[in-house]
Amino acid sequence: QQPVQSPQAVILREGEDAVINCSSSKALYSVHWYRQKHGEAPVFLMILLKGGEQKGHEKISASFNEKKQQSSLYLTASQLSYSGTYFCGTQSNFGNEKLTFGTGTRLTIIP
Amino acid sequence: KAGVTQTPRYLIKTRGQQVTLSCSPISGHRSVSWYQQTPGQGLQFLFEYFSETQRNKGNFPGRFSGRQFSNSRSEMNVSTLELGDSALYLCASSWGDRDYNSPLHFGNGTRLTVT
Repeated sequence: QQPVQSPQAVILREGEDAVINCSSSKALYSVHWYRQKHGEAPVFLMILLKGGEQKGHEKISASFNEKKQQSSLYLTASQLSYSGTYFCGTQSNFGNEKLTFGTGTRLTIIP
Repeated sequence: KAGVTQTPRYLIKTRGQQVTLSCSPISGHRSVSWYQQTPGQGLQFLFEYFSETQRNKGNFPGRFSGRQFSNSRSEMNVSTLELGDSALYLCASSWGDRDYNSPLHFGNGTRLTVT
């Protein structure tokens, strides 16, 4: 079953913070985050694993709440380059289960 | 290191025809996954191949099929095309380790238009 992402779209001014949520109805083993700019391929941001720590690089980080079966992506002091559609992909079981993606969150950063 | 290459970039076909899309993964990657992307639906999983074997399959009709060759290159075929098959088809490769810790590397996709 497809994870649910919220919000579906958000518009921010440069320098503002954003949070994107990804929720699943199934227990999660891993969560992937990708960003896709218009007309380009999705690009990997990070993977979070069950029992693992919060991850991040630069001003983009993410958390994984196993009890709530959800992950959140945090973008702080957003830059114009952060604009794009963010997808979370979830895997419910350890092993060879397919990665199921949400419908995406469109983030627009304006000057 | 070359990225994931998909050919062709654009295709226009007529209803009822069939089409074959190609994907060359990053050198050393043994897993190739295919996704269909349409507005509002996100990335819908089609299938995944690992070492020439289909390891996972999504909920698409049998008109959608694929295969993987010994050099890890993969092809996807859609027969008896329907208007609803119009979409961006993305291929992604990864190392393919069992615990799915490796990230997916996506190609730029093939834009299929069915008229």
